[in-house]
Amino acid sequence: AQSVTQLDSHVSVSEGTPVLLRCNYSSSYSPSLFWYVQHPNKGLQLLLKYTSAATLVKGINGFEAEFKKSETSFHLTKPSAHMSDAAEYFCVVSGNSGYALNFGKGTSLLVTP
Amino acid sequence: GAVVSQHPSWVICKSGTSVKIECRSLDFQATTMFWYRQFPKQSLMLMATSNEGSKATYEQGVEKDKFLINHASLTLSTLTVTSAHPEDSSFYICSAIPDRAAEQYFGPGTRLTVT
Repeated sequence: AQSVTQLDSHVSVSEGTPVLLRCNYSSSYSPSLFWYVQHPNKGLQLLLKYTSAATLVKGINGFEAEFKKSETSFHLTKPSAHMSDAAEYFCVVSGNSGYALNFGKGTSLLVTP
Repeated sequence: GAVVSQHPSWVICKSGTSVKIECRSLDFQATTMFWYRQFPKQSLMLMATSNEGSKATYEQGVEKDKFLINHASLTLSTLTVTSAHPEDSSFYICSAIPDRAAEQYFGPGTRLTVT
């Protein structure tokens, strides 16, 4: 079975400082991994996805993630946080069917002035 | 980009009544739609997968008779919560894909409160 574990339920950073949201995955085969962001009262938005191409994946809004097979990790980073980045972030792995998604529990990112 | 809408965005109903939630793909035809449930401060749990014109596939532990899913057209899927109870109160989110290789596009969600 495929699953992800988000290591932090809450992360707080100051505006302008780097962001690191951690995610470990478990998969019996080469997985497809995603990061989604959920702003209040808005639909989930895809930030980036890894599908066995380049291990460093660049997404929208300056986010990127690196797939590390040896560490079974797919951490999300951003060099400089913006106030608008405050939201809930989900690490996601594709399920057995190949397109159904298994969500992590989410990390709430707080950005302080 | 692809847009998925849900209606209503929030609904309050009395215990024992049924409520229907609609999920529409506005600018593409969705071969498959998914229904998720999200409890406060928790992750999304996949409830069921529906393909147009066929019966939905429910995840383990999801009651088929309680959560009726109809995917009658390539742009519309409905979730009906039958005989709703307070424990059914949750945030219900749908997503849709134009084909198996595509990313999922999510709706904004429907907040259901059962009193």
